[in-house]
Amino acid sequence: QKEVEQNSGPLSVPEGAIASLNCTYSDRGSQSFFWYRQYSGKSPELIMFIYSNGDKEDGRFTAQLNKASQYVSLLIRDSQPSDSATYLCAVKVSGGSNYKLTFGKGTLLTVNP
Amino acid sequence: DGGITQSPKYLFRKEGQNVTLSCEQNLNHDAMYWYRQDPGQGLRLIYYSQIVNDFQKGDIAEGYSVSREKKESFPLTVTSAQKNPTAFYLCASTTSGTGFEKLFFGSGTQLSVL
Repeated sequence: QKEVEQNSGPLSVPEGAIASLNCTYSDRGSQSFFWYRQYSGKSPELIMFIYSNGDKEDGRFTAQLNKASQYVSLLIRDSQPSDSATYLCAVKVSGGSNYKLTFGKGTLLTVNP
Repeated sequence: DGGITQSPKYLFRKEGQNVTLSCEQNLNHDAMYWYRQDPGQGLRLIYYSQIVNDFQKGDIAEGYSVSREKKESFPLTVTSAQKNPTAFYLCASTTSGTGFEKLFFGSGTQLSVL
């Protein structure tokens, strides 16, 4: 079983701080990595994807990938109360010709005003 | 507007009953997926389909069935063999060959057992 692991949290940060969310994966051949945000009772929405080692920035969000250590992280700068949600890490696993995403269990983030 | 429509939003199943969850998309996507989410858990793949009239089992297919007779539609039946069906069910779609950068989700169906 190819696994994706996340700290379930909750992770609590004050407004304006940097929130750091981490994810590790077991399949060394994985190529594509995704971060989804999911508000309670709603469907996930894609906020970042990353393929190459290093950092990728989009507004207040930065995704970081380290394939050698098999981890991917998401940094949220200047955290806002509206960022309070569950963040799901997803990995496109290698092998086979069909596309499948494997999701972690998610980290609950709470941003306190 | 293009999107994925799931219905109903809430569904109740009696013991021994089969129920069907609807998923329709007008995005012209080839690939469609069904995920199950339990409280505090991530998404687990039930079934997926890359093209019409073809589908594959995901990680937790037992007790579920699907069909893909039309490109736009991918209904999921929760059979009486699924002993613990209470969960949030999400349908998703994307264009085959482009990875998951454009994976879109429906708004979900919450299924509960009476």
